Amino acid sequence: QKEVEQDPGPLSVPEGAIVSLNCTYSNSAFQYFMWYRQYSRKGPELLMYTYSSGNKEDGRFTAQVDKSSKYISLFIRDSQPSDSATYLCAMKDPGNTPLVFGKGTRLSVIA
Amino acid sequence: EAGVVQSPRYKIIEKKQPVAFWCNPISGHNTLYWYLQNLGQGPELLIRYENEEAVDDSQLPKDRFSAERLKGVDSTLKIQPAELGDSAVYLCASSLSDNEQFFGPGTRLTVL
Repeated sequence: QKEVEQDPGPLSVPEGAIVSLNCTYSNSAFQYFMWYRQYSRKGPELLMYTYSSGNKEDGRFTAQVDKSSKYISLFIRDSQPSDSATYLCAMKDPGNTPLVFGKGTRLSVIA
Repeated sequence: EAGVVQSPRYKIIEKKQPVAFWCNPISGHNTLYWYLQNLGQGPELLIRYENEEAVDDSQLPKDRFSAERLKGVDSTLKIQPAELGDSAVYLCASSLSDNEQFFGPGTRLTVL
């Protein structure tokens, strides 16, 4: 079992839909959780960063962390065609250890 | 503020040839990372630098890969000799804190 599991999709939704992207993990020591967006042939871009459990909102994006279930989510409201990209979850523990990424979920928002 | 700069953006070489990638991090970022990203996968860390010092290179295949970060700013990642399985995107990232890393556009390597 990999440390971080993420459904690779692809996920296709109509414009304006609410999108839910998820990752599960096995390492209970993870405390820092991130979501990156990666457009085709570009590097990953940091979207959301949360520490420990709870919610964080930024515009149309909401990140949720449920440490009891080892489950994190990214919600996108009023999705736009420009949101079409691969979304990578990433996480790490407080120690001197690397960031661990999921495989990424490919999202297409259809106009 | 300029982001992480990488060059070249694309490189095509024949197997057994050497290849080098260059990275210029965001100004003031002491920590620099090299990642490997295969198609349909998330990035995997190859090496992490704190200033000039390589503090985590456990995933770097040292028989053919080498890296350096002279003067604690720019960094170079080299493969010699390249193999077919090295075809991937090589990403450079930098950070002030280990928890917020900023990535460059990557170098897409194709080994024929």
